[in-house]
Amino acid sequence: DTGVSQNPRHKITKRGQNVTFRCDPISEHNRLYWYRQTLGQGPEFLTYFQNEAQLEKSRLLSDRFSAERPKGSFSTLEIQRTEQGDSAMYLCASSLYLGQGIFYEQYFGPGTRLTVT
Amino acid sequence: AQTVTQSQPEMSVQEAETVTLSCTYDTSESNYYLFWYKQPPSRQMILVIRQEAYKQQNATENRFSVNFQKAAKSFSLKISDSQLGDTAMYFCAFMKRRSNTGKLIFGQGTTLQVKP
Repeated sequence: DTGVSQNPRHKITKRGQNVTFRCDPISEHNRLYWYRQTLGQGPEFLTYFQNEAQLEKSRLLSDRFSAERPKGSFSTLEIQRTEQGDSAMYLCASSLYLGQGIFYEQYFGPGTRLTVT
Repeated sequence: AQTVTQSQPEMSVQEAETVTLSCTYDTSESNYYLFWYKQPPSRQMILVIRQEAYKQQNATENRFSVNFQKAAKSFSLKISDSQLGDTAMYFCAFMKRRSNTGKLIFGQGTTLQVKP
């Protein structure tokens, strides 16, 4: 297993354009998380999936953002009508959750750096 | 709401010396996890060490150890025998156990530079 992968690694787009990022988690992991990290700050939680179900969304995730995880495998994060404030690193992480509040390590991908001009 | 604060934006240490990174947190929860993550320049974040709140014993992983003070809500990371490869941004993170979401709440980070 090669770990969590994210594509593209870098994306430059013009304000108003739509962008889509992909995350491929570790294959046996049932949990997938998206975080956003701005320069010099810690990551902030955006949303997470258990298998294909999206179970929580942060207030940071405006209506312009949508995430999917079809068939509980890879996930996509789409931002519509991008704004300059969307410029950030978007991190994906996956983990195994077996219930009863017992969590295993979250493995992070390398991130997708978005620059909105 | 839970918050995590790292009050040291930048630190430096000489190779082979010991350094301690500070973290405080605020929560009304009694059952939670605390973590230190390392983010090397242009590389992905990796877990350094993990502490479960109900365990009184401080976690240790090779050269990395923590000082967990639950009453004071303090969770510092000690790196012994610092190596050049320890140069990275370090994040303290909190996870509430009760909610079952597993989402991490991160501090602002401390940039550590290990000097030869």
